[in-house]
Amino acid sequence: GDSVTQTEGPVTVSESESLIINCTYSATSIAYPNLFWYVRYPGEGLQLLLKVITAGQKGSSRGFEATYNKETTSFHLQKASVQESDSAVYYCALGDYNQGKLIFGQGTKLSIKP
Amino acid sequence: EAAVTQSPRNKVAVTGGKVTLSCNQTNNHNNMYWYRQDTGHGLRLIHYSYGAGSTEKGDIPDGYKASRPSQENFSLILELATPSQTSVYFCASGDRQHTEVFFGKGTRLTVV
Repeated sequence: GDSVTQTEGPVTVSESESLIINCTYSATSIAYPNLFWYVRYPGEGLQLLLKVITAGQKGSSRGFEATYNKETTSFHLQKASVQESDSAVYYCALGDYNQGKLIFGQGTKLSIKP
Repeated sequence: EAAVTQSPRNKVAVTGGKVTLSCNQTNNHNNMYWYRQDTGHGLRLIHYSYGAGSTEKGDIPDGYKASRPSQENFSLILELATPSQTSVYFCASGDRQHTEVFFGKGTRLTVV
């Protein structure tokens, strides 16, 4: 079936350091999967961070970026310099607009050390 | 305010019994989902729906049925509950582009 695997958490990074959270996917029932990163800040609901619907394209938001790599079936989330406010749980997800299917990875809890 | 309401919030069921988990959304979203969350697995998709009257199998549908009688309501049905179905179940609603996804607070189901 379809699946998403991401970096096992928790992850701790020092403020102003770089970050990468790995995400790989398997899409056996979706011909043209769309890829997403969602974030849940403490005490808040899930919100969309960025999305990419075309292979080879890069999405970016709030200093984060991720590139849809169909060859390696990956969608890693990167940020050059993290801030304390980036502490949250990050979810990689795979979706299909036509069917409405939406599959999440297991989530990666990120803590930023001041 | 966007809302997804699940009921019941906690449930203890006996093996072989029937369990119905209910979900209501007031977001006017087309898509609705049922996930279960277990330690080490994250959120796993059981069933989903892209509109009233539709139900689709997710990645782990065995032992579960779903019903979407209206835009607002989406139920998950365990006809013959088993201890392996002990878990926390989350309902969610979302728009077609997956830009908005709202989750309920979860239902803790224990099958004894």
